[in-house]
Amino acid sequence: DADVTQTPRNRITKTGKRIMLECSQTKGHDRMYWYRQDPGLGLRLIYYSFDVKDINKGEISDGYSVSRQAQAKFSLSLESAIPNQTALYFCATSALIGVQETQYFGPGTRLLVL
Amino acid sequence: KQEVTQIPAALSVPEGENLVLNCSFTDSAIYNLQWFRQDPGKGLTSLLLIQSSQREQTSGRLNASLDKSSGRSTLYIAASQPGDSATYLCAVIRGRDDKIIFGKGTRLHILP
Repeated sequence: DADVTQTPRNRITKTGKRIMLECSQTKGHDRMYWYRQDPGLGLRLIYYSFDVKDINKGEISDGYSVSRQAQAKFSLSLESAIPNQTALYFCATSALIGVQETQYFGPGTRLLVL
Repeated sequence: KQEVTQIPAALSVPEGENLVLNCSFTDSAIYNLQWFRQDPGKGLTSLLLIQSSQREQTSGRLNASLDKSSGRSTLYIAASQPGDSATYLCAVIRGRDDKIIFGKGTRLHILP
């Protein structure tokens, strides 16, 4: 079983709709992240959470919100989807083990906003 | 503001050749640097992580080096194979509680 799972894997929605992307992990990591990937722009950080009570905005948080329901779950919401939010969305986890931090990524959610 | 640049954006080489992918970063005060591989439509897989106190890391045919003073890292792939075809991303973390910043990646195609 995958350590980091994302649902749905693909989603088509219409402008103005509210949607939620979910991420869960079995790695027991405290830190979780949401990124979006666009052609030519690389990966950009939307939100990150270092533990259940800690939520931080990333590089491009406008138009998004998150919820850290438990250590293992971190969901991303688009309150009112718009076409330029069409992208590939990745959830990731990481943990500090000693001085090392390594990120582990989910398989991605491909979102199309019409 | 930390910026991470990867050149070239795309690279095609014949199978069997050794190759080097480049990554540069503007702020040398990094905590560590990580190389990832991404297959089309898939998530990222961590390849190598180099701590700021290290100069290089090796895993199989892969060797990553880090020169903090010049703001550069390279990923060396020996004896390339068609299965190495993927996008390779470099990422840096500025501090222990800081977020990770990615380059845009190098799309590698190994010609059979």
